[in-house]
Amino acid sequence: DSGVTQTPKHLITATGQRVTLRCSPRSGDLSVYWYQQSLDQGLQFLIQYYNGEERAKGNILERFSAQQFPDLHSELNLSSLELGDSALYFCASSEKGQGMDEQYFGPGTRLTVT
Amino acid sequence: AQSVTQPDIHITVSEGASLELRCNYSYGATPYLFWYVQSPGQGLQLLLKYFSGDTLVQGIKGFEAEFKRSQSSFNLRKPSVHWSDAAEYFCAVGPRPGAGSYQLTFGKGTKLSVIP
Repeated sequence: DSGVTQTPKHLITATGQRVTLRCSPRSGDLSVYWYQQSLDQGLQFLIQYYNGEERAKGNILERFSAQQFPDLHSELNLSSLELGDSALYFCASSEKGQGMDEQYFGPGTRLTVT
Repeated sequence: AQSVTQPDIHITVSEGASLELRCNYSYGATPYLFWYVQSPGQGLQLLLKYFSGDTLVQGIKGFEAEFKRSQSSFNLRKPSVHWSDAAEYFCAVGPRPGAGSYQLTFGKGTKLSVIP
């Protein structure tokens, strides 16, 4: 158990809908990262937050957004969903988000868009 | 841009045999290097990491990896594989301080099957 929690574990929704994925980092970790894992693209970095502020953006679509709240949990919002958004979404956390400290991964949320 | 190549998509070994999973990276300098393991239905677990110093690093579950700068490689090894090692293994690189952000770039993964 990494100490990172993600809810829900599974999500099935229809095209065009909007969903919210939630992540609680390990106690004391200030930085949260979101990754998408799909069969064709592999594991891709989406976005990073550090202590409530956006730190870095990767291959995140404009239909996707995220935020980190004062209690440090983070939410990833996916809207206007398409079939191709079906994937496993991981959240990871690290202590500082500065320098290369270890990232601890949650169990993931499996999103299926039908 | 940094990139990671894991040339082997799928490897099958017999239980008790030795294992080597290959990883090559492309980066302007020596990056931070990681190996993660993902068991079916699970998240990623860090096996080991290389930041600097001794080029042979030891990790959990009996794994080790060797950093070879001249070959831009960071291969993962285990002398004797157990059936419970069957999983998917990911090599990842992370940028050095000053890069501005510290996200990991992952390889496509190598799926390991173990024959009893």
